[in-house]
Amino acid sequence: DTAVSQTPKYLVTQMGNDKSIKCEQNLGHDTMYWYKQDSKKFLKIMFSYNNKELIINETVPNRFSPKSPDKAHLNLHINSLELGDSAVYFCASSQDWPVLEAFFGQGTRLTVV
Amino acid sequence: GQQVMQIPQYQHVQEGEDFTTYCNSSTTLSNIQWYKQRPGGHPVFLIQLVKSGEVKKQKRLTFQFGEAKKNSSLHITATQTTDVGTYFCADNTGTASKLTFGTGTRLQVTL
Repeated sequence: DTAVSQTPKYLVTQMGNDKSIKCEQNLGHDTMYWYKQDSKKFLKIMFSYNNKELIINETVPNRFSPKSPDKAHLNLHINSLELGDSAVYFCASSQDWPVLEAFFGQGTRLTVV
Repeated sequence: GQQVMQIPQYQHVQEGEDFTTYCNSSTTLSNIQWYKQRPGGHPVFLIQLVKSGEVKKQKRLTFQFGEAKKNSSLHITATQTTDVGTYFCADNTGTASKLTFGTGTRLQVTL
């Protein structure tokens, strides 16, 4: 069983469209994250949730709206997609203690044309 | 805000050579983690260091946490082509639910 699964793996869409990426973890972790990895490989945190509550919002445009229906799921909805949104988006989860090892999903490569 | 910088950004070595990447913070870290991301893959956890001056080994990999807990290093002895990838340090100092990654070091190994 995949620990952290996100879908889809690839997403090609036109500017202005709205799209969603889904993420599920079966590890029983309390914390889930969304990261954006740009072409230079920088991994930038976007959001983190703990027990369905938003903890971190790293100055992400409000076109990005995360939703956590339960602590095993953290979805990402993006409105009015722009060219600069093209990147790989990773979902991850971790427990809080004692080792804060983060488990990552396979990533979603988003291409906006 | 806190920044974690890694050097070098990129290193190209021949198989069998050693490799080291350094992670430096402007503030004291409560712990440091290391991850490896293979080309086309996702980051995979390698290790967590917590104590000042801590040294941990995993086969050819040696991880060190500085005495002042402001820097860390990952050293690979006798690199192999399977070591190719980007190595990231990460910390969650300050907030348990915020894991911040360093800028990464991309390692290329050729025969």
